[in-house]
Amino acid sequence: NAGVTQTPKFRILKIGQSMTLQCTQDMNHNYMYWYRQDPGMGLKLIYYSVGAGITDKGEVPNGYNVSRSTTEDFPLRLELAAPSQTSVYFCASSQARTLPEAFFGQGTRLTVV
Amino acid sequence: QKEVEQNSGPLSVPEGAIASLNCTYSDRVSQSFFWYRQYSGKSPELIMSIYSNGDKEDGRFTAQLNKASQYVSLLIRDSQPSDSATYLCAALYTGTASKLTFGTGTRLQVTL
Repeated sequence: NAGVTQTPKFRILKIGQSMTLQCTQDMNHNYMYWYRQDPGMGLKLIYYSVGAGITDKGEVPNGYNVSRSTTEDFPLRLELAAPSQTSVYFCASSQARTLPEAFFGQGTRLTVV
Repeated sequence: QKEVEQNSGPLSVPEGAIASLNCTYSDRVSQSFFWYRQYSGKSPELIMSIYSNGDKEDGRFTAQLNKASQYVSLLIRDSQPSDSATYLCAALYTGTASKLTFGTGTRLQVTL
């Protein structure tokens, strides 16, 4: 059972470039989340989704976009990368409001130069 | 006001002692709380969840929830060097949709 899989693990982007961080889960979870974690800080919620076709903004959505076309996939898109987006990005999923324990992917370390 | 707050630490305890980690939350938060452990450079790992007032024990870990005082705590008995990590408190907000919100984490150091 793979759980939550994120790709890539590491990436260096130039300012203004775009990229998509991939997240896939095989647990049939309906809730999925994207967080960013800056050095020495906690996790800040970027976007989340409660099911296919439904997404909503979290605490720090500016500069990012998401889509949820299937239950399994929840990609995060950076359109115009900025140095402020240098961070570690975590994707997580959980089954439902009644079973809300979230499981995390291994993270993507992104550097924008 | 932050919705979930923790002391960043570091909290230093000797091996074999009890480590006590605390977290406070705002009154908008639902009554579902979680403790995650995060080793440096790794992803958060769920270690405890608590939904109702009182204590919940799992091995060396005890989570405590006090709704009246709006805090949740994690006790680690017989602390081991392998417990050295950052512990993140999380709360599940409910409303039109649920979202999981984290505190900034407390770094625990267990010394020999």
